[in-house]
This record gives sequence, structure tokens and C-alpha cells, in this order.
Amino acid sequence: DGGITQSPKYLFRKEGQNVTLSCEQNLNHDAMYWYRQDPGQGLRLIYYSQIVNDFQKGDIAEGYSVSREKKESFPLTVTSAQKNPTAFYLCASSRQGTPLHFGNGTRLTVT
Amino acid sequence: DAKTTQPNSMESNEEEPVHLPCNHSTISGTDYIHWYRQLPSQGPEYVIHGLTSNVNNRMASLAIAEDRKSSTLILHRATLRDAAVYYCILRDGNTGANSKLTFGKGITLSVRP
Repeated sequence: DGGITQSPKYLFRKEGQNVTLSCEQNLNHDAMYWYRQDPGQGLRLIYYSQIVNDFQKGDIAEGYSVSREKKESFPLTVTSAQKNPTAFYLCASSRQGTPLHFGNGTRLTVT
Repeated sequence: DAKTTQPNSMESNEEEPVHLPCNHSTISGTDYIHWYRQLPSQGPEYVIHGLTSNVNNRMASLAIAEDRKSSTLILHRATLRDAAVYYCILRDGNTGANSKLTFGKGITLSVRP
């Protein structure tokens, strides 16, 4: 079955450490997205990529970095510069003009 | 960007129809109305979308007001599995840009057995 895989489901890190969240899709979608969701809130766009080797900042890119070396993969690094990194992180993908397909998220806790 | 307004929450009884409202008074002529839902601890999933006419699919129906300033997502027979947060979102049909979608707080649907 085609889909988006985010791993791990839960991730714990100490403050000051960088951490990378994985997102892989086998839907052959060109575009991929990273969102952040805080408790009781909607989704906020962190970064998105329309094509391999290209990506753009979303609304809350500070403290995050991404790469898009392969069509199938769009890893997100939460750096130590991110002031409040504890959140639920969602990856999505789509073809141009079609609805988003989401993964099941990674819940990151930083203490 | 055009915004949507939804109630914070709604309750329903199992096996009864549910009507989830959404207001979008500043919608432009090229904006499509999209609905997604998010089950607990999962990512959102696409439900349905429409432009002007009412739409039906296996998951739900979408009723769009004649002036397009509001719409209603209809679940014909609610099940416990339908308990989720439902997001009403506008997407610009000119660009089709998913990067411009705004996922607000949505409406939390509770289903009573």
C-alpha cells in the first residue's frame, strides 16, 4: 500500500540536542510538507518542498532545517535554536493541486 | 487569505446524521472548500471538497450555500469512529497551492454511543 511513513512515533531528547525526524513517501508525490501541531491547536507550516533539491520556508521555519535529496524523503531537523520544540510533527505530501496525504506524526518531547 | 470560522465542538448520537457548519464569508470565486478530519493521535485525512455544487462521496456529503459564504459537512450516520477534529479549509483554485492552506482549530466532534 502507498503511504507516508513517519518515524519514530515518539521521540525524547534533552534540551540542546539536535534531532532529525524521518518522513518517507512511496506515493510518487512531488511536493512534501512539514507541519507542527501544539495541543488543542491547528497545524502550522514549517517547511515545504515542491521538487527535489528545492524547499521553502513556511510560517514558522526558525529553529528548523530540512533537506530534499530524494523525491521519497524529506527529513526535518529540529535544532537547539528552536525555543519550544516539544510538539506533534506531521509530514504530508501531494501532487500539484490535489489534497494532502498525511503521515501519522512524530510526537517529540524535549526536556 | 480567506478564512473559515467553525464552532469549537459538537456532539452527536451514534447512527444519527451530523451536520458540521463552516462560515467563509470572504471566500473568493476561485476558492475551493476542503474538509479534512483528524482522528486522535493521527495525521489529518482528506474528506471531501467542492466549489459550487453539492458533493457526495463514500465518506460524507458537502452542502454549499448558494452564495458560497457557508458550507456544511454531512455525515449521514455517525459512528464512534467519526469522533475527530474536522477542519474546513479554503484552497485557491488558481494556484492549487497546498502550501497556503490554513488549518485552524477545527471543530471537535464527539459521538455518544
